[in-house]
Amino acid sequence: DARVTQTPRHKVTEMGQEVTMRCQPILGHNTVFWYRQTMMQGLELLAYFRNRAPLDDSGMPKDRFSAEMPDATLATLKIQPSEPRDSAVYFCASGLVGQMDIQYFGAGTRLSVL
Amino acid sequence: KQEVTQIPAALSVPEGENLVLNCSFTDSAIYNLQWFRQDPGKGLTSLLLIQSSQREQTSGRLNASLDKSSGRSTLYIAASQPGDSATYLCAVEGSNYKLTFGKGTLLTVNP
Repeated sequence: DARVTQTPRHKVTEMGQEVTMRCQPILGHNTVFWYRQTMMQGLELLAYFRNRAPLDDSGMPKDRFSAEMPDATLATLKIQPSEPRDSAVYFCASGLVGQMDIQYFGAGTRLSVL
Repeated sequence: KQEVTQIPAALSVPEGENLVLNCSFTDSAIYNLQWFRQDPGKGLTSLLLIQSSQREQTSGRLNASLDKSSGRSTLYIAASQPGDSATYLCAVEGSNYKLTFGKGTLLTVNP
């Protein structure tokens, strides 16, 4: 049963600390997305990659957020330094271009910055 | 900038009822529209995808329609069950596979 795996599932940290979230996309998928979900804003696209290359990160605060794909099986989203307003659920999704454009979502990382 | 609105924000119905969830979007230049389901503490599951050239899609008790020119979509759920309780999200795909989501409709089906 192929699925997108995100770690950690929950993270509590203090303001100013670095946070790293990881995502393992479905094997063979060539597109990876990072979303953030809050009650106020709903789901927002932060960044996405095609064939490991960043295509769009316009939704991401550039000064503190960074997203990378070191290899085809791992995507990372880092926040440094973290702030209370970063508290949210962060989702990773993967897909295969040309396959009905369906995105498959991970279970998310719930981040709380105190 | 694309904006997606879902009405109602919450809906509570007795088991067995047929119901309709609504989604509207401001920019009709879309590639497709998708309906997702989100259970508490879980990720999103794609339910139906309607290509911009299509009018509707069906899967089991679910039927989604799309009127691109008016910027509207509906998700019809027939014979609702308690297991249908979840948040339903509508999303439209613009250029480069980017999805814009509505804030969802929280559905509760009471036994």
